[in-house]
Amino acid sequence: DQQVKQNSPSLSVQEGRISILNCDYTNSMFDYFLWYKKYPAEGPTFLISISSIKDKNEDGRFTVFLNKSAKHLSLHIVPSQPGDSAVYFCAADNTDKLIFGTGTRLQVFP
Amino acid sequence: DGGITQSPKYLFRKEGQNVTLSCEQNLNHDAMYWYRQDPGQGLRLIYYSQIVNDFQKGDIAEGYSVSREKKESFPLTVTSAQKNPTAFYLCASRRGSVNTEAFFGQGTRLTVV
Repeated sequence: DQQVKQNSPSLSVQEGRISILNCDYTNSMFDYFLWYKKYPAEGPTFLISISSIKDKNEDGRFTVFLNKSAKHLSLHIVPSQPGDSAVYFCAADNTDKLIFGTGTRLQVFP
Repeated sequence: DGGITQSPKYLFRKEGQNVTLSCEQNLNHDAMYWYRQDPGQGLRLIYYSQIVNDFQKGDIAEGYSVSREKKESFPLTVTSAQKNPTAFYLCASRRGSVNTEAFFGQGTRLTVV
């Protein structure tokens, strides 16, 4: 029973264009969401988060959108850069632990 | 320089042996977590601890054990009962138990030979 889903295992985007990574969740009680970036053989690094009282949060090139009625969130990266190539995980705060999706591998090509 | 330290980075274990992965943090975080990463399966929670001398099972605790004798340390033992121990193991900590980001260590790659 996967409570946080990332249905696109991979995404390929040209440098300078927008990258949109999607995430769906099933539990309407989740009220805090996070995005992490992960390079191979390294630990994930925190990117950006959003509380359920908001529908948008921005930090530089990264913007997270939350649609509570659809139980959907997305991460927008504008403009995409080659260094953004990594695996991106979304996570939901389930009271006392984080539940992660399966990740989306983003490749940014020149 | 605050952070989370996992050691070793690479670990080889013979079948039938127990092995302990180290996780130490100097961030003064109360909560600590162990996750396992397998290809295509994201990060799955093994065990977590909110306070010293207390911990809870995650989604895949079978074949693992932990202890939390000190706030800074949360070692994970992979026992011989774990059927598929080869994986990338990640330790994390966070300041509170809700609505805060978790910080991760660099991971330990365990290979059973």
